[in-house]
Amino acid sequence: AQKVTQAQTEISVVEKEDVTLDCVYETRDTTYYLFWYKQPPSGELVFLIRRNSFDEQNEISGRYSWNFQKSTSSFNFTITASQVVDSAVYFCALSEAGGETSGSRLTFGEGTQLTVNP
Amino acid sequence: DTEVTQTPKHLVMGMTNKKSLKCEQHMGHRAMYWYKQKAKKPPELMFVYSYEKLSINESVPSRFSPECPNSSLLNLHLHALQPEDSALYLCASSQESRPQETQYFGPGTRLLVL
Repeated sequence: AQKVTQAQTEISVVEKEDVTLDCVYETRDTTYYLFWYKQPPSGELVFLIRRNSFDEQNEISGRYSWNFQKSTSSFNFTITASQVVDSAVYFCALSEAGGETSGSRLTFGEGTQLTVNP
Repeated sequence: DTEVTQTPKHLVMGMTNKKSLKCEQHMGHRAMYWYKQKAKKPPELMFVYSYEKLSINESVPSRFSPECPNSSLLNLHLHALQPEDSALYLCASSQESRPQETQYFGPGTRLLVL
């Protein structure tokens, strides 16, 4: 069965520091999809990125970057020069190509609470 | 436009009340989802609708009754809830009900059951 582990429950940094949020996953499928979502205090989950299992190219979007490594089953997320507005809970999630009914299921990690202090 | 709207934002209800949560999207998505999220926990899937048909029910108690009147609307009817049902209820939608599809979430309804 699939599993996502976000070992860091809480991280606190000072503004302008770089911070990396770890995500390790387990799956028996060879085809799967990984996601990162941000949940600010308002509650809405904001989609950040999707990565396919067959595409290991790392991605950068502004201050955000993602490092996908199949060899270690990790999909880590780095925020460069953090800002107070980055304070939120960040969830890593996995969906497997698996069976017909498994496709809609997102398996979430427990989330990492990031606090960026001014 | 990746907007999913939910009403109401907040809801307080007694255990004998009947209420409904509403979710709407105008992205042409054919899959819609209900999640329940307790404090400091990840969202838990409750129901999935695909092309207006219920495709997944994660063994949710019958006091929660979903309804999909059309491809843009999703309701969650609540009846005889328990205090432990207090949570944030999130709606999401995706293009199709497939693993590669990104789910877009609404802002949620914060429910308090007294």
